Amino acid sequence: EVQLVESGGGLVQPGGSLRLSCVVSGFSNSWVNWVRQAPGKGLEWVANINQDGSEENYSDSLRGRFTISRDNAKNSVFLGLNRLRVDDTAIYYCASGGGWTLENWGQGTQVTVS
Amino acid sequence: EIVLTQSPGTLSLSPGERATLSCRASQSVPRNYLDWYQQKPGQAPRLLIYDASGRATGIPDRFSGNGSGTDFTLTISRLEPEDFAVYYCLQCATSPLTFGGGTRVDIK
Repeated sequence: EVQLVESGGGLVQPGGSLRLSCVVSGFSNSWVNWVRQAPGKGLEWVANINQDGSEENYSDSLRGRFTISRDNAKNSVFLGLNRLRVDDTAIYYCASGGGWTLENWGQGTQVTVS
Repeated sequence: EIVLTQSPGTLSLSPGERATLSCRASQSVPRNYLDWYQQKPGQAPRLLIYDASGRATGIPDRFSGNGSGTDFTLTISRLEPEDFAVYYCLQCATSPLTFGGGTRVDIK
């Protein structure tokens, strides 16, 4: 069974940076995605990365500020958040599955920009 | 970018009733790669339906998905108390992936 555990969230000032981590157990050949959810709002897809890290995709509105990467030796996927804004405040989830379907989800990590 | 529009925004029903949720795409979803997720307060989303009609592992058969092209439907045949939640559709065919705005199913 695949399990995902996020970490790295916290409180940061506007304009600051954070690096989120997602450790994936049962780490095999899966794309990994980041999805966020602002308080009281719906789900927003952020980015994904393929199995060997050679391909990345981003939300058009977040490309350039957010960077996804992975380290297969550490069973980890990362999301770098730069030039953070108040409206980036959200729970950030990592998720994976067959193809781009989000079958497995972590519990999320809270990012607060204030 | 494929825009997904879910309707209604809120569905107020009683346990035992049938729920029909709609997800309409701004353009045809390739290969019908349209998923449905359920989210309860304080929890991560859970995959219910993949590729428009495939039921995910462990999902009860009262949940079913249908549709193709631009029009998709999630049906809950008889609502159980644990089904009252928010439901999202997701197209995972083309980047950027996009979610619908969600449908809240609450108790009437």
